[in-house]
Amino acid sequence: EPEVTQTPSHQVTQMGQEVILRCVPISNHLYFYWYRQILGQKVEFLVSFYNNEISEKSEIFDDQFSVERPDGSNFTLKIRSTKLEDSAMYFCASSFRGWNTEAFFGQGTRLTVV
Amino acid sequence: GENVEQHPSTLSVQEGDSAVIKCTYSDSASNYFPWYKQELGKRPQLIIDIRSNVGEKKDQRIAVTLNKTAKHFSLHITETQPEDSAVYFCAASSYNTDKLIFGTGTRLQVFP
Repeated sequence: EPEVTQTPSHQVTQMGQEVILRCVPISNHLYFYWYRQILGQKVEFLVSFYNNEISEKSEIFDDQFSVERPDGSNFTLKIRSTKLEDSAMYFCASSFRGWNTEAFFGQGTRLTVV
Repeated sequence: GENVEQHPSTLSVQEGDSAVIKCTYSDSASNYFPWYKQELGKRPQLIIDIRSNVGEKKDQRIAVTLNKTAKHFSLHITETQPEDSAVYFCAASSYNTDKLIFGTGTRLQVFP
């Protein structure tokens, strides 16, 4: 069964450093998402991406965050200058048709900012 | 803004009993309500979903009900098994957006 894959599974970074989280969505999916889950809290929407542009973003997704689809398979989330409060599990997701359809989640990247 | 509340936060049941998890949403434009199961250290996986034109949906031991007037939807698991133990998240999205608004999660423990 096709899966969304994310790398790395765990990333430790120093405060102020840039990190790039990588995702390979399911190949025929057209809509891509990033969510995050701070330990013990709920899953929060960060950004959605369709047709090579951001379709929606939350208030969490400020100027420190950016997304890119550099080629036909990868979807990345960049945090330019990490803060302690960015420590969380980051989930990539993809869906075929967008709204009202199942979003398939990756296994997550645990980001620890020290 | 949009919000989804979920109760209870933890739920312990004996194997074979039923479990019910309830969610309330605030955005009256919400029309898609998926439920995700997240086992420890694993990704959230869709277990069932319901759209606003349907009041109830069932898949073997799992059912979801939707009350649009009250903005409530619930997950029902019958004949629970230890492998049902996980964190369950409800979510909602509306017709004009594809983002999911998640509830706070329910940790279900099924004791043998």
